Amino acid sequence: NAGVMQNPRHLVRRRGQEARLRCSPMKGHSHVYWYRQLPEEGLKFMVYLQKENIIDESGMPKERFSAEFPKEGPSILRIQQVVRGDSAAYFCASSPQARVGDEQYFGPGTRLTVT
Amino acid sequence: AQTVTQSQPEMSVQEAETVTLSCTYDTSESNYYLFWYKQPPSRQMILVIRQEAYKQQNATENRFSVNFQKAAKSFSLKISDSQLGDTAMYFCASSSNDYKLSFGAGTTVTVRA
Repeated sequence: NAGVMQNPRHLVRRRGQEARLRCSPMKGHSHVYWYRQLPEEGLKFMVYLQKENIIDESGMPKERFSAEFPKEGPSILRIQQVVRGDSAAYFCASSPQARVGDEQYFGPGTRLTVT
Repeated sequence: AQTVTQSQPEMSVQEAETVTLSCTYDTSESNYYLFWYKQPPSRQMILVIRQEAYKQQNATENRFSVNFQKAAKSFSLKISDSQLGDTAMYFCASSSNDYKLSFGAGTTVTVRA
């Protein structure tokens, strides 16, 4: 059973460009979480999605950031008009259910560098 | 809202020795879980151990154990018989009814040969 897949692993964008980060959850998992890790900091929750639904986006910046988890295909975290402050590692995690205390299985992360 | 605090940015331990990482948390929820995650240089986040708040018995996973002090809102991790492969960043985290994990800032553990 393959783990959580994220691609690309590294992404370089110039200021003003768009960044698209992809996450394929583990087989059988329908709950996806995105976290951001700034340099020298812990992970910060961004958004929680189920198939075709955004459940909790309380950690998402109000502008330029969006996320989706379509019926078919991976979850996408999209950052429009990137700025240097968006440089970070973005982690996706998945779980089979959304019960309190369930383990979230993390992908290897996408390191975004904005030049 | 939940907050997690790790006050030790770095720890160093000799191979085969024991090291204890501190973590305190704050939550208004009665039902919550606490976790320790390991992030080695590969950056892959790996669950080390998990504790349910309503269980008084401290969780143990092989060489990893916790000291859960609910009244003090403290959740420390003890790594026994440290191995070189334990070198990593360790994050304390909590979750409750909204499922999202709240992480501390992390503690870098270096195991010396």
